[in-house]
Amino acid sequence: IAGITQAPTSQILAAGRRMTLRCTQDMRHNAMYWYRQDLGLGLRLIHYSNTAGTTGKGEVPDGYSVSRANTDDFPLTLASAVPSQTSVYFCASRYTGVDTEAFFGQGTRLTVV
Amino acid sequence: QQPVQSPQAVILREGEDAVINCSSSKALYSVHWYRQKHGEAPVFLMILLKGGEQKGHDKISASFNEKKQQSSLYLTASQLSYSGTYFCGTSERSNDYKLSFGAGTTVTVRA
Repeated sequence: IAGITQAPTSQILAAGRRMTLRCTQDMRHNAMYWYRQDLGLGLRLIHYSNTAGTTGKGEVPDGYSVSRANTDDFPLTLASAVPSQTSVYFCASRYTGVDTEAFFGQGTRLTVV
Repeated sequence: QQPVQSPQAVILREGEDAVINCSSSKALYSVHWYRQKHGEAPVFLMILLKGGEQKGHDKISASFNEKKQQSSLYLTASQLSYSGTYFCGTSERSNDYKLSFGAGTTVTVRA
């Protein structure tokens, strides 16, 4: 089934640990995005990639890194997790442009303790 | 830069109407609307383009005022299924096509 998949679904992580959230899509979309969702703050863009091999910073990039080695995968890494990174993380993909629909993964609920 | 949405929340009875506004300090070429049900991922509703027509999705429609750099989402004769959080988003060529969203408007429709 075509779509976008995130893993894990949820995770409890000790502060200071490294964590990679995975995102894979099979729709051959060239653009991919990572958002965090916190109550009252909506969806805030962390990093994005318009094509394989390129990435860019969003609104809240500090403490996160991404890579885009191929079209399908866009992992998000927290090098040293802190409690303020407790959030629900969504990955999305679409064709690059002003008028293209984005598809979201089901989200990863991350708790940093 | 994130677009600004208002109101933050609205409570309706079935059959009532509501309007959600989305504005930006920058010139807009497109406005995207998504809805997120509790515990689920956001789902696409519609995109409005500068110079384009007003769009509709069931009894949910939207308009785009280019001069005011504002879009409005209209929930007409609301149904229980309209409950959720509505997000507006912007994607501009001048901003590397980043898809940025507002803080959302939570809509609760009661019987």
